[in-house]
Amino acid sequence: RKEVEQDPGPFNVPEGATVAFNCTYSNSASQSFFWYRQDCRKEPKLLMSVYSSGNEDGRFTAQLNRASQYISLLIRDSKLSDSATYLCVVNMRHGNKLVFGAGTILRVKS
Amino acid sequence: DVKVTQSSRYLVKRTGEKVFLECVQDMDHENMFWYRQDPGLGLRLIYFSYDVKMKEKGDIPEGYSVSREKKERFSLILESASTNQTSMYLCASSLTSGSPYNEQFFGPGTRLTVL
Repeated sequence: RKEVEQDPGPFNVPEGATVAFNCTYSNSASQSFFWYRQDCRKEPKLLMSVYSSGNEDGRFTAQLNRASQYISLLIRDSKLSDSATYLCVVNMRHGNKLVFGAGTILRVKS
Repeated sequence: DVKVTQSSRYLVKRTGEKVFLECVQDMDHENMFWYRQDPGLGLRLIYFSYDVKMKEKGDIPEGYSVSREKKERFSLILESASTNQTSMYLCASSLTSGSPYNEQFFGPGTRLTVL
């Protein structure tokens, strides 16, 4: 079983739609959680950290469910510019070593 | 802004060649990382370093070595390149602090093709 699993997609949605991605992780002792965004042929960049209480940044909402070991990302009012691969990332132990999911592809169409 | 640079965007090498990939960061970060990214597998950690002259194996270190002689520079070495090392190689850096939420900053990547 992979340490971090995501649905690869692609998710094809129209502009203005709401879309949600889930990600599951295997290690219940995981310390911290993130969503990174990777545009085509570019490097990954941090989108948002995921806190236990859930957090929101504009149109993006991230939630953590420790009991079920999954995190989610909700994007409201999708824009064309949201088209990218979204990487679920988990810090599984103390220190700065991260484990990346394979990514979920989002395509927003007009 | 944090800047992580990698020596080449594209590289083509032959089987058996020794390959050096260089990474430099300009924000005085303690931690540096080398990943490879392959379709369907995501980013996999090859090696990382928490300090100068210090290195630790990641999840897939076989066939690779690293060098960190200066804080800002972290080199990945393929001693004898093989075709299964054809991949996108990404370098990253991050600060050391008490928080588990340290962001990793990535370089633009080097797409290596081994023929």
